[in-house]
Amino acid sequence: EPEVTQTPSHQVTQMGQEVILRCVPISNHLYFYWYRQILGQKVEFLVSFYNNEISEKSEIFDDQFSVERPDGSNFTLKIRSTKLEDSAMYFCASSRTGSGNTIYFGEGSWLTVV
Amino acid sequence: AQKVTQAQTEISVVEKEDVTLDCVYETRDTTYYLFWYKQPPSGELVFLIRRNSFDEQNEISGRYSWNFQKSTSSFNFTITASQVVDSAVYFCALSGGGADGLTFGKGTHLIIQP
Repeated sequence: EPEVTQTPSHQVTQMGQEVILRCVPISNHLYFYWYRQILGQKVEFLVSFYNNEISEKSEIFDDQFSVERPDGSNFTLKIRSTKLEDSAMYFCASSRTGSGNTIYFGEGSWLTVV
Repeated sequence: AQKVTQAQTEISVVEKEDVTLDCVYETRDTTYYLFWYKQPPSGELVFLIRRNSFDEQNEISGRYSWNFQKSTSSFNFTITASQVVDSAVYFCALSGGGADGLTFGKGTHLIIQP
């Protein structure tokens, strides 16, 4: 069964460093997403991406975040200058279409900022 | 603005009992989509079900069933004859469609005791 894959599974970084989280969405999916989950809290939407541009973004997705689809398979989330409060699980997700189509999640990348 | 409320923070039952997880949502959209996801201790988000706002038929899948009632803005999830493997955090989520991200509830931590 096709799945969303994410790397790394866990990353520890120093405050102020740049981090790139990588994702390979399901191959025939057109919409891509990043979500985050701070430990013990609910899952929060960050950004959606379609046709090589951002479609929607939340208030959390400020200037320190960026997304990119550098090639035909990868989808990345960059955090420019990490803060302690960026420590969270980051989930990549994809869906075949928008319009409420089922969104499938990867296993997550756990980011710890120290 | 969309909102999902899962009032039950934690539920603990003994194996083989039936358990219902409540979900109440708020949206101004006339077309919307409701989801349930399971997050086991390993952390991934597993898709369980998707419902659109025009389909109020209840659904049963094995031991799982869902009751969607537009009149009360609720989308409740029942597990029949619970098993220890059902222990997880369960999230209800709402989407307005398009490239909208999912709005998640805070989750219900379900503990099934042997």
